[in-house]
Amino acid sequence: QTVVTQEPSLTVSPGGTVTLTCASSTGTVTSAHYPNWFHQKPGQAPRALIYATSNKYPWTPARFSGSLLGGKGALTLSGVQPEDEADYYCLLRFSGTWVFGGGTKLTVL
Amino acid sequence: QMHLVQSGPEVKKPGTSVKVSCKASGFTFSSSTVQWVRQARGQGPEWIGCIVVGSGSTKSSQRFQGRVSFTRDMSTSTTYMELSSLRSEDTAVYSCAADGLSGVLPGAQNGLDVWGQGTTVTVSS
Repeated sequence: QTVVTQEPSLTVSPGGTVTLTCASSTGTVTSAHYPNWFHQKPGQAPRALIYATSNKYPWTPARFSGSLLGGKGALTLSGVQPEDEADYYCLLRFSGTWVFGGGTKLTVL
Repeated sequence: QMHLVQSGPEVKKPGTSVKVSCKASGFTFSSSTVQWVRQARGQGPEWIGCIVVGSGSTKSSQRFQGRVSFTRDMSTSTTYMELSSLRSEDTAVYSCAADGLSGVLPGAQNGLDVWGQGTTVTVSS
């Protein structure tokens, strides 16, 4: 069973920059895993931010960017806002099936 | 406006089955793939499986193989997920999600940009 691992929690100051990562138990994460990123606030459905590594949706704020970094998928928030406090999940594709990461709780403090 | 509207909450007894529906609007249903995800209280999302609407082909996580099936009704733009042999650990919010922007944004067929509101399934004796 493939496991996708994220940092359990991160804290960032308002206006700061933070990078969340997404690792695969099978090895290096590549563009062929089509990394997706979502954030989720309490009581709400996940909201898509990034698809296929680095592509943004029309509603994705410019301060969010996706990349591959050190063999992992990565989501960078630059100029963090208080409203960015949320749970963040990555999603990777493995031969037609998908696996979510365990999530990162991002605190803005 | 893209929407996925799911059926209402369900309470089931262990060993029975549940069938959740997901009705699409505002995007090209026939060109989409609908994914099914569940989230237990306090936990992260878990991918269950998907159906490619046009072909009807399906895939599921190994954890659910043999217990889950996906179908679609093109006439009503609705997909269904049925989970059988329910146990208490299946208590969760079940959501559908789709690549509604597939064909609009390059590569968006590899995303989940529209989500249903979730259906709470409670398994209890």
